[in-house]
Amino acid sequence: NAGVTQTPKFQVLKTGQSMTLQCAQDMNHEYMSWYRQDPGMGLRLIHYSVGAGITDQGEVPNGYNVSRSTTEDFPLRLLSAAPSQTSVYFCASSYPQGGLLNSPLHFGNGTRLTVT
Amino acid sequence: GIQVEQSPPDLILQEGANSTLRCNFSDSVNNLQWFHQNPWGQLINLFYIPSGTKQNGRLSATTVATERYSLLYISSSQTTDSGVYFCAVEGSQGNLIFGKGTKLSVKP
Repeated sequence: NAGVTQTPKFQVLKTGQSMTLQCAQDMNHEYMSWYRQDPGMGLRLIHYSVGAGITDQGEVPNGYNVSRSTTEDFPLRLLSAAPSQTSVYFCASSYPQGGLLNSPLHFGNGTRLTVT
Repeated sequence: GIQVEQSPPDLILQEGANSTLRCNFSDSVNNLQWFHQNPWGQLINLFYIPSGTKQNGRLSATTVATERYSLLYISSSQTTDSGVYFCAVEGSQGNLIFGKGTKLSVKP
């Protein structure tokens, strides 16, 4: 198993550009999520999904869109990038047992995004 | 929402020393997990431990849910233990809410 795979590893955007961060998992996990990590802020939840066709907002959803058309993939879209979105983005997945997250959360290796 | 506080924020150890990291949370939880972020940025799940005690090699964790805290013990620390340790608990939406982490530096 490859686990959780994120692409690209690094990306530089200009203000106003759009892009999609890709996330795929091969563990048949129903739950997938996106976090951003900023210095001194820990990890903050952007969006999450409990299964194909179902998505919901997390703590900091503004400026981001997601969709979940398959169990394996959970892309994160930035529609019009802003410097405040400079961050490291992590995708994570889990197999819910009896609840949303009653099992370990597995992370991808992250995407470092810089918006100039 | 639920608050997660980790202490200490920074910790410097000599190789071979033991350490205890603490995670306090403000409400009862059904889910608590510990993670290690290595110096290359990778986040590794260490423990899923909503209650009780678990051990994995030199690492062990204890969660006392009724008193709203969890402890991560690192024994005989090695330089490869360096990084940031995060505690995360289940929030009101059922997602994991992360603390701000403890940065551990192990010196040779």
